[in-house]
Amino acid sequence: GENVEQHPSTLSVQEGDSAVIKCTYSDSASNYFPWYKQELGKRPQLIIDIRSNVGEKKDQRIAVTLNKTAKHFSLHITETQPEDSAVYFCAATNLNTGFQKLVFGTGTRLLVSP
Amino acid sequence: ETGVTQSPTHLIKTRGQQVTLRCSSQSGHNTVSWYQQALGQGPQFIFQYYREEENGRGNFPPRFSGLQFPNYSSELNVNALELDDSALYLCASGVRGDRELFFGSGTQLSVL
Repeated sequence: GENVEQHPSTLSVQEGDSAVIKCTYSDSASNYFPWYKQELGKRPQLIIDIRSNVGEKKDQRIAVTLNKTAKHFSLHITETQPEDSAVYFCAATNLNTGFQKLVFGTGTRLLVSP
Repeated sequence: ETGVTQSPTHLIKTRGQQVTLRCSSQSGHNTVSWYQQALGQGPQFIFQYYREEENGRGNFPPRFSGLQFPNYSSELNVNALELDDSALYLCASGVRGDRELFFGSGTQLSVL
């Protein structure tokens, strides 16, 4: 089955710096890679996603890149702000199976200091 | 804010007991999935329901079972609770064939 590894487990940056979180996946059949942000005590919220037919996607300060050959994908946050502090999870799934089974990484705790 | 609601928000049980957690899906959604999130870990897929039938299951024993009702509400039942079942249980709804899932805020289960 699919296995997703995520690094680093914690990341501390100064406000305004960039943050990069990396994930690798094992199943070459995976074709959809979402990123979720989870604040303490709250639900995971989708912040950006990418499908396997795209190499990069950007939405304002956040971007995701995908390297299918190497089976890794990354989240990039530029001009970080204190409100970006949260736990970020990457996930992978194969949308062709008929059901949506997301396999999550173990999470990255991002702390943005003012 | 999503329309996925879960109840209760917190629950305390003792080992060996049974528990039922409830989820109300967002209007228009026809799939519901359940995930277990242990402290400091990512959510793990338990199972998904579509048209009131289980159509996908993760590595969880049979004492984890579920139901989906015609109004797309759903239940997660766990029998013979173990200490390791202590976790945040998340419900997520979506539309079959669509990629996005919408999560509820979860039920925090503590097994003593």
